Amino acid sequence: EPEVTQTPSHQVTQMGQEVILRCVPISNHLYFYWYRQILGQKVEFLVSFYNNEISEKSEIFDDQFSVERPDGSNFTLKIRSTKLEDSAMYFCASRGNNGELFFGEGSRLTVL
Amino acid sequence: QKEVEQDPGPLSVPEGAIVSLNCTYSNSAFQYFMWYRQYSRKGPELLMYTYSSGNKEDGRFTAQVDKSSKYISLFIRDSQPSDSATYLCAMRANSGGYQKVTFGTGTKLQVIP
Repeated sequence: EPEVTQTPSHQVTQMGQEVILRCVPISNHLYFYWYRQILGQKVEFLVSFYNNEISEKSEIFDDQFSVERPDGSNFTLKIRSTKLEDSAMYFCASRGNNGELFFGEGSRLTVL
Repeated sequence: QKEVEQDPGPLSVPEGAIVSLNCTYSNSAFQYFMWYRQYSRKGPELLMYTYSSGNKEDGRFTAQVDKSSKYISLFIRDSQPSDSATYLCAMRANSGGYQKVTFGTGTKLQVIP
């Protein structure tokens, strides 16, 4: 069964460092998303991406964040200068034909 | 008022019990409804998807939607210890292909053997 894959599973970084989280969505899906879940809190929308551009973003997705699909398969989330409060699970998702989202297992980011 | 309200639990039931999980929502634009299961430190796993009022059954799971009351439910029959997880309701509006999915806070379920 096709699945969304994410790397790395866990990344530890120092505050102020740049981080890139990678995702391979389900092939033939066209809409991609990043969500964030701070430990013990709800799954929060960050950004949606279609046709090589951002289609919607939340207030969380400020200038520190960027997304791109550099090679037609990988979908990346970059955090330019990490802050302590960026520590969270980051989930990539791709959208099925009925609008349902399929999630990867997540990348756990720890900012020290 | 939050867009999606979900009782965080925890909900503790004996094995074999019928479990009822619920969400209410305030945004009448929501037309598509999903239930996800999430194990600790794992990604949400899609359980059920529905877009019409009424019931949809899949194995031990039944999703129920009442759009007039803005209320959705997930029923789990013959609950098993392996069902112990956090259950997330999620929903999105009808318009736009990229429409974001909005999640409830999740209900933590524990099924006691």
